[in-house]
Amino acid sequence: DAMVIQNPRYQVTQFGKPVTLSCSQTLNHNVMYWYQQKSSQAPKLLFHYYDKDFNNEADTPDNFQSRRPNTSFCFLDIRSPGLGDAAMYLCATRSGRADTQYFGPGTRLTVL
Amino acid sequence: QKEVEQNSGPLSVPEGAIASLNCTYSDRGSQSFFWYRQYSGKSPELIMFIYSNGDKEDGRFTAQLNKASQYVSLLIRDSQPSDSATYLCAGGGSQGNLIFGKGTKLSVKP
Repeated sequence: DAMVIQNPRYQVTQFGKPVTLSCSQTLNHNVMYWYQQKSSQAPKLLFHYYDKDFNNEADTPDNFQSRRPNTSFCFLDIRSPGLGDAAMYLCATRSGRADTQYFGPGTRLTVL
Repeated sequence: QKEVEQNSGPLSVPEGAIASLNCTYSDRGSQSFFWYRQYSGKSPELIMFIYSNGDKEDGRFTAQLNKASQYVSLLIRDSQPSDSATYLCAGGGSQGNLIFGKGTKLSVKP
């Protein structure tokens, strides 16, 4: 089945220790998104790729970076995680011809 | 600031009743609207999308859109305990991005 996959599902890191979250998709969608979601809050868009074009949201901290080496994969790098970065990180994809976004299962990040 | 507003709830309904979830949006340029269901600790799952004024039905779910009033709703008929979740309303923004509301927590009591 075509899908959006995120690894790992749960990630524990230490304060200040870099961490990378992974997203892959078999939908062959042009657009990939990274969202941060904290408890009882709406998903907050961090950035997205339209093909290779990177689009950063104005309020995304510099601590967050992303890479998209090919159509299928996208990575979220957190260079120096703080306690406030503990959250669910959601990857979503969209075909360039439609508006509907499809979410992966998410990665729950804990910062100790 | 483009916003999507939802009552955070919790909205509690008895099993078998109709649950009505509401959403308003500020961006008159939004053309598409989405309802996602999110169980606790899980990722959002698409329930329905709607582009045109009026009603759109899919099984027990009906989405309603009124662009003049900037209002979107989701009706769930014959509510089941398994429908208990947070429902996120989202409007299509610029560049195909979505603007999410904070969600309404629905509780269906057996």
